[in-house]
Amino acid sequence: GAVVSQHPSRVICKSGTSVKIECRSLDFQATTMFWYRQFPKQSLMLMATSNEGSKATYEQGVEKDKFLINHASLTLSTLTVTSAHPEDSSFYICSASLAGGLGETQYFGPGTRLLVL
Amino acid sequence: KQEVTQIPAALSVPEGENLVLNCSFTDSAIYNLQWFRQDPGKGLTSLLLIQSSQREQTSGRLNASLDKSSGRSTLYIAASQPGDSATYLCAVSGAGSYQLTFGKGTKLSVIP
Repeated sequence: GAVVSQHPSRVICKSGTSVKIECRSLDFQATTMFWYRQFPKQSLMLMATSNEGSKATYEQGVEKDKFLINHASLTLSTLTVTSAHPEDSSFYICSASLAGGLGETQYFGPGTRLLVL
Repeated sequence: KQEVTQIPAALSVPEGENLVLNCSFTDSAIYNLQWFRQDPGKGLTSLLLIQSSQREQTSGRLNASLDKSSGRSTLYIAASQPGDSATYLCAVSGAGSYQLTFGKGTKLSVIP
């Protein structure tokens, strides 16, 4: 149980285009979903926390107008990278929390590798 | 601000050896600590989760310990195998916070 999927697994796009990444909890309802970004040889950095039906909370330094997060249902959250540029190329990983409680275990998706040309 | 450090950054061992990976964190007010495995270009696999009230957790050949007061955790891998080759990440969950703070990881190579 507690499986999280992401789609697509890899995407290559031209600079200036927008890319949508989906994160789904397959066998449980996720009150809270998290989006992380990982640059090569760096640790995962939390970008934003999203709760179903409400606006996402962004970490300092993450542009909310550039990284649009929608958490429309208890099993789906989407991250849209708007007007992507080469510096947005990274590995994006989502996670989902079962009950949304503080310190709850997060279950991670397999990640999406984004390459912006 | 919580900071997590993992030492060493990379480790290469011959197959069969026992090994220890280290993780330290600056703020001892944590809710739990997790060890993850990440294969190249892949997502994270949770290996062990230790609640702040616990001292250790075991799963198969893996044993993780936690010394919350000193801000340290170790991941012990017994009888290493080539399939253990991956990057191992340590992450702490802050008390009163959803946020996981990750270390940069230790890249382990087990040589056949």
